[in-house]
Amino acid sequence: GQQVMQIPQYQHVQEGEDFTTYCNSSTTLSNIQWYKQRPGGHPVFLIQLVKSGEVKKQKRLTFQFGEAKKNSSLHITATQTTDVGTYFCAGVRGGNMLTFGGGTRLMVKP
Amino acid sequence: DAGVIQSPRHEVTEMGQEVTLRCKPISGHNSLFWYRQTMMRGLELLIYFNNNVPIDDSGMPEDRFSAKMPNASFSTLKIQPSEPRDSAVYFCASSSQGVYEQFFGPGTRLTVL
Repeated sequence: GQQVMQIPQYQHVQEGEDFTTYCNSSTTLSNIQWYKQRPGGHPVFLIQLVKSGEVKKQKRLTFQFGEAKKNSSLHITATQTTDVGTYFCAGVRGGNMLTFGGGTRLMVKP
Repeated sequence: DAGVIQSPRHEVTEMGQEVTLRCKPISGHNSLFWYRQTMMRGLELLIYFNNNVPIDDSGMPEDRFSAKMPNASFSTLKIQPSEPRDSAVYFCASSSQGVYEQFFGPGTRLTVL
């Protein structure tokens, strides 16, 4: 079945530094979604990428979808303490079903 | 909109007891998902309903787990009998037809002693 891997598992950064998490799928994805889960919270949808090579920005967050639609990345510029949480990518399969990556936990030191 | 509602928020039970988790999806959403989240296994899809019909239950761990959706506004996930390894956070999520964004509830933290 489809597997989605994320690296790194954990990342400590100093506030103001950049952060990137990478997502790789064992199969070609139709779409990929990104979610953020704050400590003690629930996953919250950030964005969906659909097209090969697509790049989308949300303020300091930049999302990319690979040309082969098998990988994706999320880059945060100049991290803030409010960015703390776990970032998940999720591959869309079979209608609305998602296969989640293991997540990257971001910790920001003020 | 109140969002996805789950109850209870916390459940502590003893091994062998029956546990029932409840979910009310967002009104108008016709897809409902149950997930389990643990440190070891991450976020796993257990079962997916579309228009109240179970479409994919391949993620349900074993026969001790069952899920129902008797109507568009209510779903249950039952574990009988519960075991310590079932301890996890269980999330319910819903989405609209043709729109893939999933809205998650606050989760139920289950502890089986």
